[in-house]
Amino acid sequence: GAGVSQSPSNKVTEKGKDVELRCDPISGHTALYWYRQRLGQGLEFLIYFQGNSAPDKSGLPSDRFSAERTGESVSTLTIQRTQQEDSAVYLCASSPLAGVETQYFGPGTRLLVL
Amino acid sequence: TQLLEQSPQFLSIQEGENLTVYCNSSSVFSSLQWYRQEPGEGPVLLVTVVTGGEVKKLKRLTFQFGDARKDSSLHITAAQPGDTGLYLCAGRGTNRDDKIIFGKGTRLHILP
Repeated sequence: GAGVSQSPSNKVTEKGKDVELRCDPISGHTALYWYRQRLGQGLEFLIYFQGNSAPDKSGLPSDRFSAERTGESVSTLTIQRTQQEDSAVYLCASSPLAGVETQYFGPGTRLLVL
Repeated sequence: TQLLEQSPQFLSIQEGENLTVYCNSSSVFSSLQWYRQEPGEGPVLLVTVVTGGEVKKLKRLTFQFGDARKDSSLHITAAQPGDTGLYLCAGRGTNRDDKIIFGKGTRLHILP
């Protein structure tokens, strides 16, 4: 596809369960970002991958959150032992080069923790 | 800590009116971007400004970067219902390792 894709588009889970969110960036984009957007709020930075460099994990809110990226392709964001406060839209964005400002966003995964 | 403050948080106006929304910070940014986000979708880039004092126009939208590169404004002329959405500003600081940070956005609703 031409754009960033994310799956699932919606996820409802029970408190305490683990969830895995997937992001397929635009082919060839070396930079990949994950953000969290709570209802009615702006974007909260979670983690940033750039090529083979160590990821910038400074935005991860707790050790229940982790993310991986395979080379310059797919990334997965995992939330363990989900809490109700984790309910939000999780957005992924990719960018062609480090330092390039334009980020191309996916449609997001809407996570609801009951 | 760098912060981007957007104002107003919410704005509801009639079709045909003009409006301005603001993005302010006490920090200097090497570049600043404006995105629009519609319900159920990810943000879409509208413009990037990089030079202090720069003005860019995109049809009825006019973007300005402050002379000191600490603030920006978005002016919409003759607003249309299609302009409804969440407008986000984002900026990257001047240090090499600075990440892009986002403001909380201005939620704009244009009434037909």
